[in-house]
Amino acid sequence: QVQLVQSGAEVKKPGASAKVSCKASGYTFTDNYVHWVRQAPGQGLEWMGLSNSNDGTIHYAQKFRGRVTMTRDTSISTTYMELSSLTSDDTAVYFCATETCSGNGCSKSFHYWGQGTLVTVSS
Amino acid sequence: QSALTQPPSASGSPGQSVTISCTGTSTDVGAYNYVSWYQQHPGKAPKLMIYEVSKRPSGVPDRFSGSKSGNTASLTVSGLQAEDEADYYCNSYTGGNNPYVFGTGTKVTVL
Repeated sequence: QVQLVQSGAEVKKPGASAKVSCKASGYTFTDNYVHWVRQAPGQGLEWMGLSNSNDGTIHYAQKFRGRVTMTRDTSISTTYMELSSLTSDDTAVYFCATETCSGNGCSKSFHYWGQGTLVTVSS
Repeated sequence: QSALTQPPSASGSPGQSVTISCTGTSTDVGAYNYVSWYQQHPGKAPKLMIYEVSKRPSGVPDRFSGSKSGNTASLTVSGLQAEDEADYYCNSYTGGNNPYVFGTGTKVTVL
């Protein structure tokens, strides 16, 4: 079965960076895209960007461009999301999620989700 | 890209139906048949319930159905059960600089 396992919670100081990992299993890693979505405490979901696991193509939400970096290591089926210049507004649970792709194209939806990683930004 | 508009809350008694709306614009919901719906229980990751407007992933009960008319998509939960009490979010592909946008979320309460 498809599983996405994320790294553990982090506490960071303002101005620092946080790097969250997302390890995939149960499917061919390079077949699907990996998206990142965050959720601030008590708030809704916010799309951050996507990584094409096959060719590494990245698309970031405009809000995060210049501050977010998404990378992948195909040898260990893992995608990374690093967010820099953290402020208290970045305190949130960060989720990775897969978009299923096939010969007919991609579903443009998020079929499987990681368990989430809480990043707390506090001085 | 502004968030899609959902009602903050919806409720129904067990066995009843509840419908949640998701209003966007002609550049997102109205432009593409790529609306999806997610259920989220407190402290848990979201779960895909509907994709491509009306398709159900395997394992999702057929009590959940989706539709779209113009710039508004809808999720209907029929035969409400206690476990359906959760937050629900819609999402649409927009094809633009910010290609995915979520709805504001709806809290469904089973009375």
